[in-house]
Amino acid sequence: SYVLTQPPSVSVAPGQTARISCAGDNIGSKSVLWYQQKPGQAPVVVVYDDSDRPSGIPERFSGSNSGNTATLTISRVEAGDEADYYCQVWDNGSDHPWVFGGGTKLTVL
Amino acid sequence: EVQLVESGGGLVQPGGSLRLSCAASGFTFSSYSMNWVRQAPGKGLEWVSYISSSSSIIYYADSVKGRFTISRDNAKNSLYLQMDSLRDEDTAVYYCARVRYWGQGTLVTVSS
Repeated sequence: SYVLTQPPSVSVAPGQTARISCAGDNIGSKSVLWYQQKPGQAPVVVVYDDSDRPSGIPERFSGSNSGNTATLTISRVEAGDEADYYCQVWDNGSDHPWVFGGGTKLTVL
Repeated sequence: EVQLVESGGGLVQPGGSLRLSCAASGFTFSSYSMNWVRQAPGKGLEWVSYISSSSSIIYYADSVKGRFTISRDNAKNSLYLQMDSLRDEDTAVYYCARVRYWGQGTLVTVSS
């Protein structure tokens, strides 16, 4: 089945830019979603269809997807962005259609 | 507003059964495929099961195949997960999820 690989942790100072990668075989051909999850809360979509943002998500959150890597970029990082972030793809035609990355803990220093 | 509300979680002994429900509102439930996703304490997200809009296509993760059964009632805007032969490792928060929308989850604890 399809596998997505994320770094376990990323650290960034406030005001800087955080980049979280999600690697998968030819992931550029798939549509990627990114979730933010804070402790004790359900995951929230911050990016869908590679680079679209749901209403209410700040423009500081952006996504890109090409080749074998998708990336979530968080600009001007704030303390409130500290959370776990997961990538997900729809593996069309597979009997395991929803695939998640292992998650990345974003720490704001 | 899309809403997904899970219920039915609780404490159950190993080998026992539990039935989770998910009440959907704010969208045309019968037009969307649905999923169950779980998260064990301190762990990542794990997809559990998928059901198409008409129930004609159903998939399960290998870890639950043969023990869990997904179903839906489009007339009642409801999604279900029947969980049998529960194991300690099934302990998790279970989320009902549609593309881009998730419920708040219900906790299932399997312990003697």
